[in-house]
Amino acid sequence: AQSVTQLGSHVSVSEGALVLLRCNYSSSVPPYLFWYVQYPNQGLQLLLKYTSAATLVKGINGFEAEFKKSETSFHLTKPSAHMSDAAEYFCAVRDSNYQLIWGAGTKLIIKP
Amino acid sequence: DTGVSQDPRHKITKRGQNVTFRCDPISEHNRLYWYRQTLGQGPEFLTYFQNEAQLEKSRLLSDRFSAERPKGSFSTLEIQRTEQGDSAMYLCASSPGESLYGYTFGSGTRLTVV
Repeated sequence: AQSVTQLGSHVSVSEGALVLLRCNYSSSVPPYLFWYVQYPNQGLQLLLKYTSAATLVKGINGFEAEFKKSETSFHLTKPSAHMSDAAEYFCAVRDSNYQLIWGAGTKLIIKP
Repeated sequence: DTGVSQDPRHKITKRGQNVTFRCDPISEHNRLYWYRQTLGQGPEFLTYFQNEAQLEKSRLLSDRFSAERPKGSFSTLEIQRTEQGDSAMYLCASSPGESLYGYTFGSGTRLTVV
């Protein structure tokens, strides 16, 4: 069965600092992995996806994620945090029934 | 196309009342999904449609919940005899086929049962 674990329910970084949000997955099939962002009282917006092509995936708003099969990880990074990045971030993996299994989310806090 | 639309954005209802939410997906997307999200949690799958056929329902979807997509376009989610535990954000998403390319979500309907 597929599952997703996001380490850290809250991550706080200073503006301009590196953002690192961690996601580990388990999957019995070759994984398709996704990162979504959710701003307060909004739906979820797709940031980026891994679908078995390049292991380093670039997304919107300067975010990228690297798929590491040996570590079963798909961590999300951004070199320099901006105040507008403050939001909740969700990692998801596609399961064998083509549904998305979601992590519990990580709230990113940006300190001025 | 303006994306996935959900109506209403907010709904406050008294316990025991029935509520109905509407979702209009992206027009060329044949799959439509309903999720529920409570504070501090990721979305929980409720059900999905391929065109007008409801193909899967979560065990979370009790008998009080029903969803329809009568013409394969918009969908409705009805909750009968609402309970306080139904308070949540109800999210609709659509996709062009299976989820390889990710879903497009609407802004959600926030339900508060008082």
